Amino acid sequence: NAGVTQTPKFQVLKTGQSMTLQCAQDMNHNSMYWYRQDPGMGLRLIYYSASEGTTDKGEVPNGYNVSRLNKREFSLRLESAAPSQTSVYFCASSSGVGGTEAFFGQGTRLTVV
Amino acid sequence: GENVEQHPSTLSVQEGDSAVIKCTYSDSASNYFPWYKQELGKRPQLIIDIRSNVGEKKDQRIAVTLNKTAKHFSLHITETQPEDSAVYFCAASAGDYKLSFGAGTTVTVRA
Repeated sequence: NAGVTQTPKFQVLKTGQSMTLQCAQDMNHNSMYWYRQDPGMGLRLIYYSASEGTTDKGEVPNGYNVSRLNKREFSLRLESAAPSQTSVYFCASSSGVGGTEAFFGQGTRLTVV
Repeated sequence: GENVEQHPSTLSVQEGDSAVIKCTYSDSASNYFPWYKQELGKRPQLIIDIRSNVGEKKDQRIAVTLNKTAKHFSLHITETQPEDSAVYFCAASAGDYKLSFGAGTTVTVRA
């Protein structure tokens, strides 16, 4: 099993450009998440999808949109990238209700110049 | 929302010594407390977790304790080895699908 797969692994954007980060899981998990990781700030939740067909804002949603395409796939879109969005982005999934292990993708290192 | 604070931010220990990382949480409804380890350039991975109906859990050299009254929980690593060098994150969840993470502790094990 591949687990949680994210693409791309690295990306450099110019301010104002848009891009979509892709995430897919093959563990038949109901819930999926997008986090960003910045030095000294841990992992902060951007958006999550408790189940197919639902999405909700997390702690830092501004500047992002998400789509739960189907049970397997959850994408994160930056419509107009800003330098403050330079970060490492992690997708994760879990089987369902809070209180279960979250499995992370390998991360996407995004730099906005 | 939940606020998780983690201390210390960095920890250097001699190989063979113990390491302790402490976290506090704010939401009394939180009932699930996992710990993740992230090696340099890698993804976070679960190493141990504890639920609110348990006070302590141990897995080989790793143990976690929970004090619900004080709203704090701790990770204990005994007989540290070089491969324990990593960033460790605590987290808390109130069962609402969201995990709130601490800021992380960078552990360095000196040979």
